[in-house]
Amino acid sequence: SQTIHQWPATLVQPVGSPLSLECTVEGTSNPNLYWYRQAAGRGLQLLFYSVGIGQISSEVPQNLSASRPQDRQFILSSKKLLLSDSGFYLCAWSSIGQGKVVREQYFGPGTRLTVT
Amino acid sequence: QKEVEQDPGPLSVPEGAIVSLNCTYSNSAFQYFMWYRQYSRKGPELLMYTYSSGNKEDGRFTAQVDKSSKYISLFIRDSQPSDSATYLCAMSPFGGQNFVFGPGTRLSVLP
Repeated sequence: SQTIHQWPATLVQPVGSPLSLECTVEGTSNPNLYWYRQAAGRGLQLLFYSVGIGQISSEVPQNLSASRPQDRQFILSSKKLLLSDSGFYLCAWSSIGQGKVVREQYFGPGTRLTVT
Repeated sequence: QKEVEQDPGPLSVPEGAIVSLNCTYSNSAFQYFMWYRQYSRKGPELLMYTYSSGNKEDGRFTAQVDKSSKYISLFIRDSQPSDSATYLCAMSPFGGQNFVFGPGTRLSVLP
């Protein structure tokens, strides 16, 4: 069965510090990978998605970046955190069906980031 | 008009009630529809996935899709306090790489 891991689970970082959040998926190959942010009491905001190694699409201009160094590894980074970067960060994966159709999406447990 | 709209709630029902959660959408290209349950401080959990009009049942949950009206629903029968969570609808167009989520409906099932 497929499993998605995220770490760390919680993180408190000062403004201006760097960030690295990691996500790995087990039990599948060549998945689509996604980073979302969920602010308190709000919906999911898609930040980045990747259809393959080294292929990153950005949905929202910001001071965050993403990388996919391996097929099942997705990393979210920042060089300098802002207060507005606080939130709940979720990694997700989707399998690709016949005809390159994206199928259902599964989420990781999330990382709660507080920027102070 | 937002691409996907969802009653924000909060919705409070007594234990054992039938719950109806709804989403409307504007993009007729959406072909795949999902419902998620999210407990506080947890990642969303996939409940139902469907790609055709009509009903799909899984235990106490029934997902209903009406593509002609651009309307989807999730019904929960015999609701339990453990169903108290935020419910998110999501959808994707055929051939699309992304999913569009509704803002979520917060449900409380009172014992």
